[in-house]
Amino acid sequence: TQLLEQSPQFLSIQEGENLTVYCNSSSVFSSLQWYRQEPGEGPVLLVTVVTGGEVKKLKRLTFQFGDARKDSSLHITAAQPGDTGLYLCAGESPNSGYALNFGKGTSLLVTP
Amino acid sequence: GAVVSQHPSWVICKSGTSVKIECRSLDFQATTMFWYRQFPKQSLMLMATSNEGSKATYEQGVEKDKFLINHASLTLSTLTVTSAHPEDSSFYICSASTVSQHYFGEGSWLTVV
Repeated sequence: TQLLEQSPQFLSIQEGENLTVYCNSSSVFSSLQWYRQEPGEGPVLLVTVVTGGEVKKLKRLTFQFGDARKDSSLHITAAQPGDTGLYLCAGESPNSGYALNFGKGTSLLVTP
Repeated sequence: GAVVSQHPSWVICKSGTSVKIECRSLDFQATTMFWYRQFPKQSLMLMATSNEGSKATYEQGVEKDKFLINHASLTLSTLTVTSAHPEDSSFYICSASTVSQHYFGEGSWLTVV
């Protein structure tokens, strides 16, 4: 199992603030995915990044894949209460049979 | 989009009994299915990888005789928790994958009393 370190583990901010979540590993991944999960539900895919240095934007969310394909970040601009949830990064590699190895998750709370 | 259905959504069972959880890909054939386990306020931990018609590959520390996985078709995988104990209580999630994408089920809550 390839270890993915995700930080911060918990984040509580006020509406309108910006935040960044980091996902780091010593291993190279063929792709890295970001998910959001609500309590009692399965994770929902936000984005997949596959190319080193790739940047993808999804409305107020910006995702970046490191040049070496070992790390990634999620930046949220002007956070809203609706952004509250558990954010998970997951790396995929042929070495693990393309199973997803998840980071520990970042629990985000955005208060009005 | 592709849909993966898990059943049951939640189940309560007595200690010592066995429980079966189904994972179905409703509108596509999955080359591989994965089973994850998630404890409260924690992330998903991969339990096993399942390919149709072959034995599942279990992650280190996961007892294959306790967590029986059957993958009889390209659209159905089952996880049976045998002789369940309270420490097996958890949220179990499956995913079905194609070459390019993973699709997750809604999860199944298991409570062993």
